[in-house]
Amino acid sequence: QVQLVQSGAEVKKPGASVKVSCKASGYTFTTYGISWVRQAPGQGLEWMGWISAYNGNTNYAQKLQGRVTMTTDTSTSTTYMELRGLRSDDTAVYYCARDHQAHIVGAGTCDYWGQGTLVTVSS
Amino acid sequence: EIVLTQSPGTLSLSPGERATLSCRASQSVSGSYLAWYQQKPGQAPRLLIHGASSRAAGIPDRFSGSGSGTDFTLTINRLEPEDFAVYYCQQYGSSPKTFGQGTKVEIK
Repeated sequence: QVQLVQSGAEVKKPGASVKVSCKASGYTFTTYGISWVRQAPGQGLEWMGWISAYNGNTNYAQKLQGRVTMTTDTSTSTTYMELRGLRSDDTAVYYCARDHQAHIVGAGTCDYWGQGTLVTVSS
Repeated sequence: EIVLTQSPGTLSLSPGERATLSCRASQSVSGSYLAWYQQKPGQAPRLLIHGASSRAAGIPDRFSGSGSGTDFTLTINRLEPEDFAVYYCQQYGSSPKTFGQGTKVEIK
């Protein structure tokens, strides 16, 4: 069965960086992409960006450009999302999700999701 | 960036009733690449509908999606107790893959 298992909760100080992992299993990793979506407390869903597990191509939300980096390790079927220069408004649950978009050209939706990782930014 | 506006913000209904949720896009959604998700407290979103009208695997047929262009609808026939949740639409035809702000379906 398809599973996405994320790393545990993090508490960071403003200005620090956080790196969240997402380990996939139960499917051929390189035939899909991974999207990252975050949700601030009591708020809606915000798409952060996408990475191709096939070749590592990325597409980031403009508001996070320069602060976010997504990478994949095909040997372990793991995707990473690093967010730098953390601010209090980055406090959120961060989700990875399997995205049917495998290549930079194309479209895909997210059918399986990780359990979420709470990142708290506080001084 | 395509802005998705969902209405109403909250829908108060009783079990057995029909729920009709709207998602309006600021510009045409290419390829009808519009999805609907359900989210319950403390849980990850669950894909219900993709391609505006195709049910995802394992989704009961009381959930249906329709629409094209800029206007889309999620209909839930005969609400079950487990259907009370927040519903989000998302367009994935262009970047960024934006979400609507959500509609909460609550028990009346």
